Amino acid sequence: GAVVSQHPSRVICKSGTSVKIECRSLDFQATTMFWYRQFPKQSLMLMATSNEGSKATYEQGVEKDKFLINHASLTLSTLTVTSAHPEDSSFYICSAKGGTGQGWAFFGQGTRLTVV
Amino acid sequence: AQKVTQAQTEISVVEKEDVTLDCVYETRDTTYYLFWYKQPPSGELVFLIRRNSFDEQNEISGRYSWNFQKSTSSFNFTITASQVVDSAVYFCALSEVEAGNQFYFGTGTSLTVIP
Repeated sequence: GAVVSQHPSRVICKSGTSVKIECRSLDFQATTMFWYRQFPKQSLMLMATSNEGSKATYEQGVEKDKFLINHASLTLSTLTVTSAHPEDSSFYICSAKGGTGQGWAFFGQGTRLTVV
Repeated sequence: AQKVTQAQTEISVVEKEDVTLDCVYETRDTTYYLFWYKQPPSGELVFLIRRNSFDEQNEISGRYSWNFQKSTSSFNFTITASQVVDSAVYFCALSEVEAGNQFYFGTGTSLTVIP
């Protein structure tokens, strides 16, 4: 199956700083990437959908100025958590979908963010 | 409305017992995919199976088997002769092609296999 690599796998940052998470499709061109957030003992909730070269579409309740998503190329999308606060501590996971013929998306390994 | 329902929040079984994890989904699309993922404590999602809406054949892979029934909108997952290593959270998910293939996840079932 296709490979999606997410980096870093774990990050600890100080409150008020920004953190960037990368999601790369290694062996296919990802026309669409999705970002999910998972709080402890909860399910994965979609945060936003990004298409290469266009602005991300955010789900209701997700602050677009706080969670900056850039999908500048067909193999890379980034999620930047700006001015992170302890309540942003969570597990963030991306998924990527290719173009024609690929009817589903593949997941990265996830990033566990801890804001102290 | 919840598109994917996993009614069992937590299940505990004794090793070697069989266990079935339930999943019920809701969609109006004719083309969709159903998935099961395993999430161990480390957090990554481990892909177990993908089924498209046109393939209702049940599938068996080792100790794992899946029962897909469109008539009841269910996609249940059975682990036979459970092992301690099966302990994890299991998510059922739906991907609708017409909705751009975003995933809708169930709330997960936490399985504990007791030695």
